[in-house]
This record gives sequence, C-alpha cells and structure tokens, in this order.
Amino acid sequence: QKEVEQDPGPLSVPEGAIVSLNCTYSNSAFQYFMWYRQYSRKGPELLMYTYSSGNKEDGRFTAQVDKSSKYISLFIRDSQPSDSATYLCAMRRMNSNYQLIWGAGTKLIIKP
Amino acid sequence: DAGVTQSPTHLIKTRGQQVTLRCSPKSGHDTVSWYQQALGQGPQFIFQYYEEEERQRGNFPDRFSGHQFPNYSSELNVNALLLGDSALYLCASSMSGNSTDTQYFGPGTRLTVL
Repeated sequence: QKEVEQDPGPLSVPEGAIVSLNCTYSNSAFQYFMWYRQYSRKGPELLMYTYSSGNKEDGRFTAQVDKSSKYISLFIRDSQPSDSATYLCAMRRMNSNYQLIWGAGTKLIIKP
Repeated sequence: DAGVTQSPTHLIKTRGQQVTLRCSPKSGHDTVSWYQQALGQGPQFIFQYYEEEERQRGNFPDRFSGHQFPNYSSELNVNALLLGDSALYLCASSMSGNSTDTQYFGPGTRLTVL
C-alpha cells in the first residue's frame, strides 16, 4: 500500500464550479502538507503549503488538513479553464527536510 | 530572473547506454535536487546536491550518479540504461538551509529508453 493515495481522475467539471481534490495518507508522522500544480510538459509548481491541521486560504484556493482522518483536501472556487492541470499532493515528516512523499496526481479538466 | 532550466528537453537512448542530464538552478539558489517522474506517478526523489556534494539520496541504485559544479549547476548521470528508466527527470532548486518545501522545479527532461 502506498503511503499517499490520490485518485488519478480525470476529474471533469464545468467552468465556475467548486473543485475538491483529495489525498489520504497512512503515516501519522507527516506534519507538512503541500499541493502542487503541474501543467502538461512542465515541472510541478507549489500552490499551497500547510503545517499540521487546519485550513489555509489563498485567493480561489483553500487547503484543508484533517490529521485525525489522515486526509487532506484542496478546494478551488470559481474554477477556470486555466486551472486544467494535474494536481499533486506531497507531504513530509517533521525532521525530514529533503524527502517529500508524493501522491500520483489527479488530472483536472475544466470545461468552458 | 531565469527560473530553473534543464537540458535537453527530450532524449532517446537504447538499453545499456549512458545519459547525462543538465540543470541550472534559479538565480540565488545553491541547492539542487533531482527527481524521477514516471508517467502517471508523482516525482520520486533521487538525490540532492549542496556545496558540490551529495547531501541526501533516495532509493535509487548506484547507476544514478550526479555532480554539482562551483556555479551550482548540476548533472545527473544514468549508466546502463534500462527500459524502466524511461521517465520525466525533474530538477528542483532551493536555497541552502531551506527544506524541499520551497523548491522550484524546472520543466524536466523526458528520457525514452528503447
């Protein structure tokens, strides 16, 4: 079983919809949680970064961490066609500065 | 301000050959990490270079080696290529003392092994 599970999709939604992307994990030692966006033929780009549990909001993006359920989410409001990309979650333990554990990514398609 | 650059963009090799991939970090960054991303998978950490030395290594065989130059640029070398080495190879740079949480990725080199 993988340490981090993520539905590969594709997830197809109409423009303007609220998108919910999720990851589950098995290692309770994970403390830092990240969401990356990766466009086709590009490297990943950091979108959101959270520590421990709680919510973090940045513009149209909200990251949510529920450590008791080992579940993290990324919400995108007012989705745009330009949001179409693969979204990867990543996480690491407190004292592991170098090695992130990644999900496989969810492909998101926003239909105009 | 140039971001992380990688060369070449694409590469086709045959089994058993050797390959060298190159990376120039973002301006002001001195730490370079290399990742392998197979199709439909998340990146897998290969190793990280800082001050011209390998600082940390993931679960990759010795066929994967690297180098960092005094200008902080880096190379990834893969010997005795296998079909399973076909992947997107990503380079990420960061500033010393910072964790990989704040790294910037390049566009990657897509390696195909036939």
